[in-house]
Amino acid sequence: GAVVSQHPSRVICKSGTSVKIECRSLDFQATTMFWYRQFPKQSLMLMATSNEGSKATYEQGVEKDKFLINHASLTLSTLTVTSAHPEDSSFYICSASTDADRFRPQHFGDGTRLSIL
Amino acid sequence: GEDVEQSLFLSVREGDSSVINCTYTDSSSTYLYWYKQEPGAGLQLLTYIFSNMDMKQDQRLTVLLNKKDKHLSLRIADTQTGDSAIYFCAESTGFTGGGNKLTFGTGTQLKVEL
Repeated sequence: GAVVSQHPSRVICKSGTSVKIECRSLDFQATTMFWYRQFPKQSLMLMATSNEGSKATYEQGVEKDKFLINHASLTLSTLTVTSAHPEDSSFYICSASTDADRFRPQHFGDGTRLSIL
Repeated sequence: GEDVEQSLFLSVREGDSSVINCTYTDSSSTYLYWYKQEPGAGLQLLTYIFSNMDMKQDQRLTVLLNKKDKHLSLRIADTQTGDSAIYFCAESTGFTGGGNKLTFGTGTQLKVEL
């Protein structure tokens, strides 16, 4: 159980393109979804938290107009990197949790490798 | 902010036990987690422990928690080559709707040698 699917797994595109990443909880209803960014050989950096039907809460230093997050349903959240530039190249990982599990662990997708040329 | 510290690297021989250590800072953390990350992949939840527990065992995995010292460890018995990965500890640092906000450690690269 607790499977999270993230798509696409890899994106290579030109500078100025907007890229959408999807995160789906396949077998549970995700009350909350999280978006992280990971640089090589580093830990995860939380970008934002989204609750279904609410606006996302962004961490300090993360531009909300640059990284658009939508959590329209209990099984889907999307992250759109708008007008991407080479410095946005990174590994983006989503996770999902449910209030139905009292321990509320986060279950992670397999990540999206974004490369901006 | 909170800092969660881990040693960067651990090398063990196949069949030996591995112990990965973690020091956290938020004494109010309710839950502590261990995740495994293989190259190019997301994080796999291995186990978690509630703050009122001292120990939790799950097959080859044993988690020890010392709340006084804010120290968490993960012991992997009979370590196999498939256990080679980066291991992250994480502490819950706040509650947000349906989830616990987590602060992750720096990660420990475990290398299992034959």
